[in-house]
Amino acid sequence: EDQVTQSPEALRLQEGESSSLNCSYTVSGLRGLFWYRQDPGKGPEFLFTLYSAGEEKEKERLKATLTKKESFLHITAPKPEDSATYLCAVQNQAGTALIFGKGTTLSVSS
Amino acid sequence: GAVVSQHPSRVICKSGTSVKIECRSLDFQATTMFWYRQFPKQSLMLMATSNEGSKATYEQGVEKDKFLINHASLTLSTLTVTSAHPEDSSFYICSTFGAGLNTEAFFGQGTRLTVV
Repeated sequence: EDQVTQSPEALRLQEGESSSLNCSYTVSGLRGLFWYRQDPGKGPEFLFTLYSAGEEKEKERLKATLTKKESFLHITAPKPEDSATYLCAVQNQAGTALIFGKGTTLSVSS
Repeated sequence: GAVVSQHPSRVICKSGTSVKIECRSLDFQATTMFWYRQFPKQSLMLMATSNEGSKATYEQGVEKDKFLINHASLTLSTLTVTSAHPEDSSFYICSTFGAGLNTEAFFGQGTRLTVV
């Protein structure tokens, strides 16, 4: 069964304090691993898609990496506006719906 | 880029009534629409997959007679929660993939349903 586990569930950082969020997955043939940001009461906002182990993508203070078993979302020098829930999801080779983890809720204080 | 428009964003209804949620793809034709439900502090859980012109496929444990999905056109999919009860209160989100082989999933803005 395809499964996604994210850790930690919640993370509190001071502004400028870098850290990483983890996404462990098991999937019957990975087609893609997705990272989304979700603000309260809103739909997920796309951040990255990773397709193969070793791939890395960056966007502003965020960097996503991928291995055969997990993905990391690295946040460098976060700001309060980075506070949100970060969701990880996988899509299998059948190309069906995304399977989501429970998310990591990040709080960045100034 | 592709945009999925979902409305209403919030709805409060009385127990026993029905509520319709609409999702429209604005820039492209969405042959497949996914409907998710999200409870507080929980993940997005897939409810059903709808394909234009055919019956929706429901996930295990989701009542097809309660959650009616219609995908009559390539730009519109609807979810109707029939005979709503307080336990149906949740955040409902639609999603579809853009055109092409490797594309991201686009999400609607979500609908917060409260049944009183």
